[in-house]
Amino acid sequence: DTGVSQDPRHKITKRGQNVTFRCDPISEHNRLYWYRQTLGQGPEFLTYFQNEAQLEKSRLLSDRFSAERPKGSFSTLEIQRTEQGDSAMYLCASSSGQGILYEQYFGPGTRLTVT
Amino acid sequence: AQSVTQPDIHITVSEGASLELRCNYSYGATPYLFWYVQSPGQGLQLLLKYFSGDTLVQGIKGFEAEFKRSQSSFNLRKPSVHWSDAAEYFCAVNNTDKLIFGTGTRLQVFP
Repeated sequence: DTGVSQDPRHKITKRGQNVTFRCDPISEHNRLYWYRQTLGQGPEFLTYFQNEAQLEKSRLLSDRFSAERPKGSFSTLEIQRTEQGDSAMYLCASSSGQGILYEQYFGPGTRLTVT
Repeated sequence: AQSVTQPDIHITVSEGASLELRCNYSYGATPYLFWYVQSPGQGLQLLLKYFSGDTLVQGIKGFEAEFKRSQSSFNLRKPSVHWSDAAEYFCAVNNTDKLIFGTGTRLQVFP
């Protein structure tokens, strides 16, 4: 089991550009979560999937953000027309079942810098 | 609204000294509580969790935490800190399948 992987690990982009991040969960984990972590803060929930269904989106997820998990395996998070306030670490986590009793395993994150 | 407060932003201890990291939560129902550790370049790793039962829970790497409902606290402890424990520590509470994290405590360990 290789754990949760995220790609890229670092991304520098100019304001106004679009970026896309990828998360590969642990094999056969049906839950996948996205969190955002800004400097000096704890991770904040963005959205999560049960298989390919997106079950909940945070108010933090503005219209410029979209997440998909087309086949219930990997997921992508796209940010359109990036703003400097989008600079953060984007964390992905997966779990093997429903409910909080199932541990969420986190990936190393993608650090986004918007210049 | 559910929330987690970690009052200490930064703690420094000497190697071999004992450690206690504070966590206070606000949650209407019985909380499910977690402690995670984050090392540079690494993902968050679960140290321990409390769901119910014994209020003193044991975790990995020699950590333990005690749930005190009367104080709305879930403090993390370790009797003897190792240099490799230097990291950022996050307390979290569940909120219908997703986690709410505190702002974290950065632990620095001096030899």
